[in-house]
Amino acid sequence: DAKTTQPPSMDCAEGRAANLPCNHSTISGNEYVYWYRQIHSQGPQYIIHGLKNNETNEMASLIITEDRKSSTLILPHATLRDTAVYYCIVLKGRYNTDKLIFGTGTRLQVFP
Amino acid sequence: GAVVSQHPSRVICKSGTSVKIECRSLDFQATTMFWYRQFPKQSLMLMATSNEGSKATYEQGVEKDKFLINHASLTLSTLTVTSAHPEDSSFYICSAGEQGSYEQYFGPGTRLTVT
Repeated sequence: DAKTTQPPSMDCAEGRAANLPCNHSTISGNEYVYWYRQIHSQGPQYIIHGLKNNETNEMASLIITEDRKSSTLILPHATLRDTAVYYCIVLKGRYNTDKLIFGTGTRLQVFP
Repeated sequence: GAVVSQHPSRVICKSGTSVKIECRSLDFQATTMFWYRQFPKQSLMLMATSNEGSKATYEQGVEKDKFLINHASLTLSTLTVTSAHPEDSSFYICSAGEQGSYEQYFGPGTRLTVT
């Protein structure tokens, strides 16, 4: 699976959009980009995933560049409850039986 | 979404004893479950893949005789930390995937403290 690079930390004001970047320059054609987040002392939570098209759900939007070498997770209106560590993970398949390898992630701090 | 539970949520044990942690998929069947360990201020580290009805697959560097995994049914996997030592103190998390869904569901974690 391709390696990912994320900034270690970011801040965002409550109510503003949080844009979390992820670099995955070695991604191959059949690999998906997944995002999970972990709120302090809890198990991780799935957010969104995509292959090459932009995706949106009730939690977030995922923007993948045309060359697929990077992506951005967008939380459109961040709240204090969005404070968490966000993990970008690249997986060969879209099957939930594939093991997830977590990198260091981005620690997002949403402030009032 | 689907729910994964863990029991206990926290446990304190004495050095040299064994501790069993349960991971249950409450409303779906899971042929595969995963066990992770997380030290303070670090990321999750995958320990092993638990397969229903067969032996677990351990990641490199994880001692299979120390971390015993049993996946006896489609809704239950257990992790037993044998002869626990203070360095085994950590946050243990399991996950499972529901057939037809693309996401993995994580348990709330078990905090183990070995004194």
